Amino acid sequence: GQQVMQIPQYQHVQEGEDFTTYCNSSTTLSNIQWYKQRPGGHPVFLIQLVKSGEVKKQKRLTFQFGEAKKNSSLHITATQTTDVGTYFCAGASSMEYGNKLVFGAGTILRVKS
Amino acid sequence: EAQVTQNPRYLITVTGKKLTVTCSQNMNHEYMSWYRQDPGLGLRQIYYSMNVEVTDKGDVPEGYKVSRKEKRNFPLILESPSPNQTSLYFCASRVTGTTEAFFGQGTRLTVV
Repeated sequence: GQQVMQIPQYQHVQEGEDFTTYCNSSTTLSNIQWYKQRPGGHPVFLIQLVKSGEVKKQKRLTFQFGEAKKNSSLHITATQTTDVGTYFCAGASSMEYGNKLVFGAGTILRVKS
Repeated sequence: EAQVTQNPRYLITVTGKKLTVTCSQNMNHEYMSWYRQDPGLGLRQIYYSMNVEVTDKGDVPEGYKVSRKEKRNFPLILESPSPNQTSLYFCASRVTGTTEAFFGQGTRLTVV
């Protein structure tokens, strides 16, 4: 079945440094979603990418979807302490029954002030 | 307010004692699912339901049951919990198709 690999598993940065997490799918995706989970919280939807090569920005966050629609990245510019949490990608494949979302293992981000 | 509500938030139980975690959503979503979250493994789908009376296994269904008698409710049942089911559980709902998922607050279950 479909697998989504996410790296790194953990990253600790100094406040103001940039951060990037990467996702790779074993199959071509119809779309990819990104979620953020604050410590002690639940995953919250950030964004969905659908088109090949798509790039979307939300303030300091930049999301990219690869040309082959098998990989994606989330880049945070100048991290702040409010960025701490776990970032998950979730891939949806039209080949999966019910357009199931397959989550990556997540990247835990810690920001030192 | 649009939300997914899980209960209880925390539960400590003993091996073999049947339990149910409830999940309810008020957004009229067709698709509901249960995930468990374990360190280093991310969110793994246990069961999902595409509509009333339609349920199917996810990636880790062993030891769990679900039912979908009403559109808004999707309880997770552990008939005979074991320690390896100690985990953080999330219920989620969304419109069928590739749209954003809304998650409940989570249920932290400990089986001793």
